[in-house]
Amino acid sequence: SQQGEEDPQALSIQEGENATMNCSYKTSINNLQWYRQNSGRGLVHLILIRSNEREKHSGRLRVTLDTSKKSSSLLITASRAADTASYFCASLIRGSYIPTFGRGTSLIVHP
Amino acid sequence: DTGVSQDPRHKITKRGQNVTFRCDPISEHNRLYWYRQTLGQGPEFLTYFQNEAQLEKSRLLSDRFSAERPKGSFSTLEIQRTEQGDSAMYLCASSFTGEETQYFGPGTRLLVL
Repeated sequence: SQQGEEDPQALSIQEGENATMNCSYKTSINNLQWYRQNSGRGLVHLILIRSNEREKHSGRLRVTLDTSKKSSSLLITASRAADTASYFCASLIRGSYIPTFGRGTSLIVHP
Repeated sequence: DTGVSQDPRHKITKRGQNVTFRCDPISEHNRLYWYRQTLGQGPEFLTYFQNEAQLEKSRLLSDRFSAERPKGSFSTLEIQRTEQGDSAMYLCASSFTGEETQYFGPGTRLLVL
């Protein structure tokens, strides 16, 4: 079974709008990462947030982590058509080297 | 190109045949991971190597699956007696020891007819 669950499963927005994706996980984690996957390709690492961090920024990406709710969100600001992809959260529990991926959010950004 | 490479990119085979996939990690990385991804799902962990040692295997890895990393560099994943349920994308990733970020290859898409 997968540790994380993303919400929504699919998101369709217009270019320029913000996109927010949420991820929930089940057990205590060491860190949580977000990856992006273009159709039929491998995953690309976007950002990592540690369990003692609450918010992190990278360019147009903003990630938050709420360990009390066991949830994280990824915000993409001023979206572009090139942001169209699937986005996965991957949680890493303490003592493990193996991240557990959620089912992903499929984002479509219309030009 | 210094990224993770996988070969072949696509494989179509008939049920019952054996298939072998290759992964070449980033050269300095000593950890190598195999994942399976089916449509609409996230990657599911199969196995991982540190150098040439296979340190962990998922329960998903049935006895028809075997993985090797003989010299601690490239790795192969073999599926024997393929079944239609083996149809999936097989992803390879690599990392340094102690680094939490994994670098993924483009994947091998397997279709078992």
